[in-house]
Amino acid sequence: DQQVKQNSPSLSVQEGRISILNCDYTNSMFDYFLWYKKYPAEGPTFLISISSIKDKNEDGRFTVFLNKSAKHLSLHIVPSQPGDSAVYFCAASASYGGATNKLIFGTGTLLAVQP
Amino acid sequence: EAGVAQSPRYKIIEKRQSVAFWCNPISGHATLYWYQQILGQGPKLLIQFQNNGVVDDSQLPKDRFSAERLKGVDSTLKIQPAKLEDSAVYLCASSLTSASYEQYFGPGTRLTVT
Repeated sequence: DQQVKQNSPSLSVQEGRISILNCDYTNSMFDYFLWYKKYPAEGPTFLISISSIKDKNEDGRFTVFLNKSAKHLSLHIVPSQPGDSAVYFCAASASYGGATNKLIFGTGTLLAVQP
Repeated sequence: EAGVAQSPRYKIIEKRQSVAFWCNPISGHATLYWYQQILGQGPKLLIQFQNNGVVDDSQLPKDRFSAERLKGVDSTLKIQPAKLEDSAVYLCASSLTSASYEQYFGPGTRLTVT
């Protein structure tokens, strides 16, 4: 039962253009969403997050949009740079009374930014 | 600030052998996680510690996997005996508390079982 889905295994974008990575989820109890970036032979690093009470969060070139009715979120990177080439994981969390937050990860999307 | 440390980085063993992985979290982080990431999949939580107590081990195959965090700092994950399907990257992560959303990951240990 895949609660967090990233249906695009890979994405190729030209440098300077916009990259849009998509993520769908099925569990309506998820209340916080995160994007992680992973380079080869390294662990995932936190990129940006959004609470379920918001529909947009922006941090520099990175913006995450949340559509709760569609159970869909997306990560926009603009402008894309070759250094953005990595695997991007979407993750979701449902807090259980604030006591513990368990992250459920998607399968990842490999972004390749062509110079 | 030092990040999450893991060792070894790579390990190759034969099936039915045992193996152990070590993790040292970020100083002051009370919560420690072990994830398994199989090729082509996202990380899957195996076990979560809050200090030296287990918070969630619902997805840990307890017949062969064990983990401990005796002094509430570093942790060891063991597999005994290993199976071919255990080939994966084992990631350790830590967070300030169990209520923290943001987790900080180590570089992982790539295990190959032949």
